[in-house]
Order: sequence, then structure tokens, then C-alpha cells
Amino acid sequence: AQKITQTQPGMFVQEKEAVTLDCTYDTSDQSYGLFWYKQPSSGEMIFLIYQGSYDEQNATEGRYSLNFQKARKSANLVISASQLGDSAMYFCAMREVHSGAGSYQLTFGKGTKLSVIP
Amino acid sequence: DTAVSQTPKYLVTQMGNDKSIKCEQNLGHDTMYWYKQDSKKFLKIMFSYNNKELIINETVPNRFSPKSPDKAHLNLHINSLELGDSAVYFCASSQVVGLAGVLKRSYNEQFFGPGTRLTVL
Repeated sequence: AQKITQTQPGMFVQEKEAVTLDCTYDTSDQSYGLFWYKQPSSGEMIFLIYQGSYDEQNATEGRYSLNFQKARKSANLVISASQLGDSAMYFCAMREVHSGAGSYQLTFGKGTKLSVIP
Repeated sequence: DTAVSQTPKYLVTQMGNDKSIKCEQNLGHDTMYWYKQDSKKFLKIMFSYNNKELIINETVPNRFSPKSPDKAHLNLHINSLELGDSAVYFCASSQVVGLAGVLKRSYNEQFFGPGTRLTVL
């Protein structure tokens, strides 16, 4: 079963407008972390924002904010004042605790391709 | 300063060959990972190493073998390359702590290398 679901394969947004990228997740863990990464056409993976499952406030990093609704198991990324440079693939990911060990793998969604229109 | 580096950035080879991709991190992290990104951009964990021990080994063919000479390096060896191995391979690292620190972002963020685009002809 897919643990991270991004239902929007592609999105368009007008420059300077805000956009919300959807992400829902599935886990039985009480402690988990949610991440958003950006992958521009150049290919590198750029960390944007992190939300811990016990964080009471929504995470914010500059123009990025995470709309965390724990009961709905959703962690949507909101980008305010979109810029042309925001055009990229955006991946939602969840950190799961690997039992009995010290590694925390990331499970990724299939991504959303965001295109910012001038 | 480069945090996580991979070499080579591009790798083109013939089917049946054996190749290696190198990864180094200078962040002092104790856990390193290999991810595969397929042609549809889907990223999936392949391996992770913590203190030279293999922690996760997803259902990847045994033609793939990670090798970690020390905490700062995790190389990926691929034997008998197949067409389906064509993908972008990302190395990543993170600092993993015990449960007390597991909720903190700084102990969870994975830093990714620039990726290696492997093309098997």
C-alpha cells in the first residue's frame, strides 16, 4: 500500500500567487517526520521543510509552510508568492523508524510537477 | 564546501558490465543511504549503512552491493548491468540519534548528493 500519496501529477500557478501541493500519508507510528524536497530540472534534491508528528505548530521556512493536519494525515506544502524559480518537481516524504536500528529511511511520494507561469 | 558528493555524475555503459558509483559525505553523519530514481521520477530506498552495518536492504537484486570502507563513504557496486538498471542513483546521509532526539529536524534531515545518471546500453 502506498504510504505517501501526492494526487497532483502537475500543477500550474501564476507568478506571485500562492499554491498548495497536496500530500497524504499512512502510518501506524506515533512518532514520524514529514519532509518536502524540491527537485529542479538540474536534478539535485533540495530540502525545503520538515514537520515532526509531535510539533504543535505548522512548520514554516521563508515562503514555504506546511499545513499539517494530523487527524486527516495530510501534510500539504504551501508556497507563497510563487517565483519562476519555483518551477520544479516537489516530493513529499515520510521518515519511518526502522525497528531496532538507527536508520530512518525516507518513503517518497510520486511527486508533483509545479510550473510557474509568468 | 560539498556536503555529499558522488562520482561520476554521468555513467554510460554496456549491458553486462560491472560498475561502481562512489559517495562521500563530510558532514560527520553516521548513516548513509542509496536511493534509486526511475524514469518516472519515483524515488525508492535501496540501502542504508549505519556504523558500517547494513541496516536496510530493500528488495533489490543481489547484483547491487553497497560497500562502506569508513563512516564517510558508501559506494555502490553493480554487477552484470541490465537495461532496467538505467536510472538516477542518489546517495544521502543523515545523523541518526536515539529516541530522545528523534523528533528534531536536525536529526532527521537527509542531505542528498547530486545524483549519478546511469545509462545502460
